[in-house]
Amino acid sequence: NAGVTQTPKFRVLKTGQSMTLLCAQDMNHEYMYWYRQDPGMGLRLIHYSVGEGTTAKGEVPDGYNVSRLKKQNFLLGLESAAPSQTSVYFCASRTLAGGKNTGELFFGEGSRLTVL
Amino acid sequence: EDQVTQSPEALRLQEGESSSLNCSYTVSGLRGLFWYRQDPGKGPEFLFTLYSAGEEKEKERLKATLTKKESFLHITAPKPEDSATYLCAVQAATDKLIFGTGTRLQVFP
Repeated sequence: NAGVTQTPKFRVLKTGQSMTLLCAQDMNHEYMYWYRQDPGMGLRLIHYSVGEGTTAKGEVPDGYNVSRLKKQNFLLGLESAAPSQTSVYFCASRTLAGGKNTGELFFGEGSRLTVL
Repeated sequence: EDQVTQSPEALRLQEGESSSLNCSYTVSGLRGLFWYRQDPGKGPEFLFTLYSAGEEKEKERLKATLTKKESFLHITAPKPEDSATYLCAVQAATDKLIFGTGTRLQVFP
């Protein structure tokens, strides 16, 4: 009963390095999301996906790329990390509940990224 | 512009001391308002969804209410294990979900 699993949980990068965060969900959810959470700011949406093979930009997409090759996985990539990308990243998923969005997002435990 | 504001930023309560957290919002076409609980080092955990003014939901010591401009999360006789950050989020007609910055609650024995 894993739910949403994020790897890695912690990572330190140097400016300019690249990396990929992996999110896996075992609930057969259609929708998947990547958020970042910074002190004093609400959760901000980076990118999201409404189904396998589809992705869309959120509120703060610059500097990030995503892919959803399999329904259960959603990858977040940083091509050239910058100190401004130091943050805690959360992946979330939800099901397509009929015609009404319940808003019930299931979150992973977060990935803490530091860019030096 | 769609916006969510939570107050207070932080709240310290004695065990058993009831209080309320506020979430005020401006949004085009509210589709739903959601409350989440977040423990340190963890992801947010879903608590409630409210869809229309006048609606109320309860879970143990928590009760969420909704008006046309704000929502309250009432905590009755809190215990130390209720200590967490409580997040409010609203879903606009565009399906966009907007989170507030949260209220950090500490309950002391």
